[in-house]
Amino acid sequence: QVQLQESGPGLVKPSQTLSLTCTVSGGSISSGSYYWSWIRQPAGKGLEWIGRIYTSGSTNYNPSLKSRVTISVDTSKNQFSLKLSSVTAADTAVYYCARVPRRTYDSSGYYFDYWGQGTLVTVSS
Amino acid sequence: QSALTQPRSVSGSPGQSVTISCTGTSSDVGGYNYVSWYQQHPGKAPKLMIYDVSKRPSGVPDRFSGSKSGNTASLTISGLQAEDEADYYCCSYAGSYILYVFGTGTKVTVL
Repeated sequence: QVQLQESGPGLVKPSQTLSLTCTVSGGSISSGSYYWSWIRQPAGKGLEWIGRIYTSGSTNYNPSLKSRVTISVDTSKNQFSLKLSSVTAADTAVYYCARVPRRTYDSSGYYFDYWGQGTLVTVSS
Repeated sequence: QSALTQPRSVSGSPGQSVTISCTGTSSDVGGYNYVSWYQQHPGKAPKLMIYDVSKRPSGVPDRFSGSKSGNTASLTISGLQAEDEADYYCCSYAGSYILYVFGTGTKVTVL
């Protein structure tokens, strides 16, 4: 069974760049059958989709965060990563990585079937 | 793109049925048959319960069912059990620009 695990600093200073990595086990990130996504959740609030990446490196981002987000993939390590620049207190949240099954008939993906446990990132000086 | 609208909370006694609504627009819920639902217990990651409006992943009890009419999707939990007490979020595909929009979340309380 596939497992996803987020890792990275739990505390980031304002104006700096948040960096997280998601390690995938129990399956290959290069299989081509999935997109790999980041989602976040501020304490006591709802979920917000951040972006996704395909094994080829092709990305899609939430327009509201696009100017600050970079998602990359390292197939040799079976990992994908998130960078969010110029962070503020509003970026404090639990960050999840998740898998999106890719449909062959239209090459898109429509739901998140496996999630990591999440990692809390606090933005504070 | 605004979040999809869900009731803040719903409640029911064990064995009863509860229904959670998820209202969007013709650009998301109404425009595609790609609504999914997630269950989230406190301090845990969301878990996929329904995808493509009404399909259940393997291992999800058939007490959980989904439907859609116009711009509103619904999740029904029949035969409510204590372990169903959790937060529930809907999510809809919203086209190639936005991709995914989540609902505001609903807390289900088992009385």
